[in-house]
Amino acid sequence: GENVEQHPSTLSVQEGDSAVIKCTYSDSASNYFPWYKQELGKRPQLIIDIRSNVGEKKDQRIAVTLNKTAKHFSLHITETQPEDSAVYFCAANPNRDDKIIFGKGTRLHILP
Amino acid sequence: DAGVTQSPTHLIKTRGQHVTLRCSPISGHKSVSWYQQVLGQGPQFIFQYYEKEERGRGNFPDRFSARQFPNYSSELNVNALLLGDSALYLCASSFGDGYGYTFGSGTRLTVV
Repeated sequence: GENVEQHPSTLSVQEGDSAVIKCTYSDSASNYFPWYKQELGKRPQLIIDIRSNVGEKKDQRIAVTLNKTAKHFSLHITETQPEDSAVYFCAANPNRDDKIIFGKGTRLHILP
Repeated sequence: DAGVTQSPTHLIKTRGQHVTLRCSPISGHKSVSWYQQVLGQGPQFIFQYYEKEERGRGNFPDRFSARQFPNYSSELNVNALLLGDSALYLCASSFGDGYGYTFGSGTRLTVV
């Protein structure tokens, strides 16, 4: 079935260090992998996405890598800052559909 | 340019009642999806509509229904409300075909 697994569920990193969140997906037909950031009480916001025809994409301090063979993708945040504290969700589109299925989320704490 | 707008923002209903939630997508977006987010969990896919046709349905009971209008706005209807239906209901729109979703601020439904 359609499934996106995400880990860890909680991650604490020192300010300035890097954070890595990993996800796996079950449907090999998936070809679109977005990442969303959700701050407390707010809507999820798209921060970066990657398609299956590329292996890595970077946007300033945020990067996403994709391993199609292993069916996993990761979010990398470098030089973390207090405003990076939030819940991060990975997602994938099963069956190359327009719909996307979310992981359970990772709560990221940036420690001062 | 307005983002995705949802109404109402908050709603309190009694068990057994019916509720209608509304969503207006970003201008030009033809795809609208509905998600349920329970506190502490990732958004769960309910429905996806594209060009007024249902493109996908998640694992939700028949009490949940939706439709999309010619102007691409959408309604989510839930009949015979249960306590477990209490959640944040998010609407998201996109151009379709794997483009990133933009979420509305959601409707927080409380069933008492």
